[in-house]
Amino acid sequence: NAGVTQTPKFQVLKTGQSMTLQCAQDMNHNSMYWYRQDPGMGLRLIYYSASEGTTDKGEVPNGYNVSRLNKREFSLRLESAAPSQTSVYFCASILGGGWAQHFGDGTRLSIL
Amino acid sequence: SQQGEEDPQALSIQEGENATMNCSYKTSINNLQWYRQNSGRGLVHLILIRSNEREKHSGRLRVTLDTSKKSSSLLITASRAADTASYFCATDANTGNQFYFGTGTSLTVIP
Repeated sequence: NAGVTQTPKFQVLKTGQSMTLQCAQDMNHNSMYWYRQDPGMGLRLIYYSASEGTTDKGEVPNGYNVSRLNKREFSLRLESAAPSQTSVYFCASILGGGWAQHFGDGTRLSIL
Repeated sequence: SQQGEEDPQALSIQEGENATMNCSYKTSINNLQWYRQNSGRGLVHLILIRSNEREKHSGRLRVTLDTSKKSSSLLITASRAADTASYFCATDANTGNQFYFGTGTSLTVIP
């Protein structure tokens, strides 16, 4: 029972490159989330998917796109990476409102 | 424009002492949650308190909620070195499906 799995764990990109961060959960949760965590800023919501087939913008969506591939998988894409997107990215899932979020261990992304 | 702010930013105590951290938020909520994050890891859920609850206990954890002051506190009693971590509060800002995290309190428990 893996919970929330994120890949890759580490990545270094050059400015302008693109990449997709992958997230999968095996808890049959309905909602999934992407956050970024920067020093002194806490976690900020990038995008979320309240249910399969829906996605919505969070607090800091600019420069990102997401795909809810199926109930298990929610990916985050950086089309043209910028140094300001250097951060730790966390995926989370939740059964529904009023329940706890379950987090992956994060993807540490550096953009040079 | 984060919803929550924790206080203090950092706290250092001796093993066996109690640790108290506070969270303030800006808008009405359905519930407030506390999470722990060990260095280099993801967040782990500790406790959830609903807007109609004033106090909740879980093991050595005690959480209070004052909706009139838009604030919550997390008390960890009889702290252990293993409690060393960052602690975050998160609120749903009455949306039910969006969550806003504070900046966290870094707790160090000295053996």
